Amino acid sequence: SQQGEEDPQALSIQEGENATMNCSYKTSINNLQWYRQNSGRGLVHLILIRSNEREKHSGRLRVTLDTSKKSSSLLITASRAADTASYFCATLPGVYGGSQGNLIFGKGTKLSVKP
Amino acid sequence: NAGVTQTPKFRVLKTGQSMTLLCAQDMNHEYMYWYRQDPGMGLRLIHYSVGEGTTAKGEVPDGYNVSRLKKQNFLLGLESAAPSQTSVYFCASSNRGGVRVNIQYFGAGTRLSVL
Repeated sequence: SQQGEEDPQALSIQEGENATMNCSYKTSINNLQWYRQNSGRGLVHLILIRSNEREKHSGRLRVTLDTSKKSSSLLITASRAADTASYFCATLPGVYGGSQGNLIFGKGTKLSVKP
Repeated sequence: NAGVTQTPKFRVLKTGQSMTLLCAQDMNHEYMYWYRQDPGMGLRLIHYSVGEGTTAKGEVPDGYNVSRLKKQNFLLGLESAAPSQTSVYFCASSNRGGVRVNIQYFGAGTRLSVL
């Protein structure tokens, strides 16, 4: 069953704007990850945040995690046309230092960045 | 370094036919996974393997079988294809690491249509 649910399902912005996507989940987690999928391609890992972390940065990506609300957000700053893709959150059930089971993927947010 | 390679890339089957999808990884990963991706459903885990010679069921295993005879290969079989198995199939591998982070690396996918 799906654990992560992304919001919104689709997002359309202009180049240079920031894009924010949200993910909610149901059970305790070891970590939460974000993946990108370009059209017709496989998923590519972007960033991982552990359950004992609140914020993580990687280049133009910023991820936050609120375990009390069971939610995460992915912010892409100064977006580019090349950022056009679907973005998925994936959770690894468990707790910090231990995991149970496999990654559970959400249904994704489809981001369109217009030049 | 090819990463995760899936063959074939496309296939059209008639109902009742059988086929095998091949996944090969050159990263010496212990863990391998087969997912299916359907519109609006995200990725759903079919079967997975935690090592050579071992396999386990995922969320949607019915109608599929798998084998992991060699560490680098993970095969997904459809014994009698049904139209409901029309989907895009992704293979992934991971090396969970000391704290079991489970970052997954994906192949480019196999697009299967069952008529």
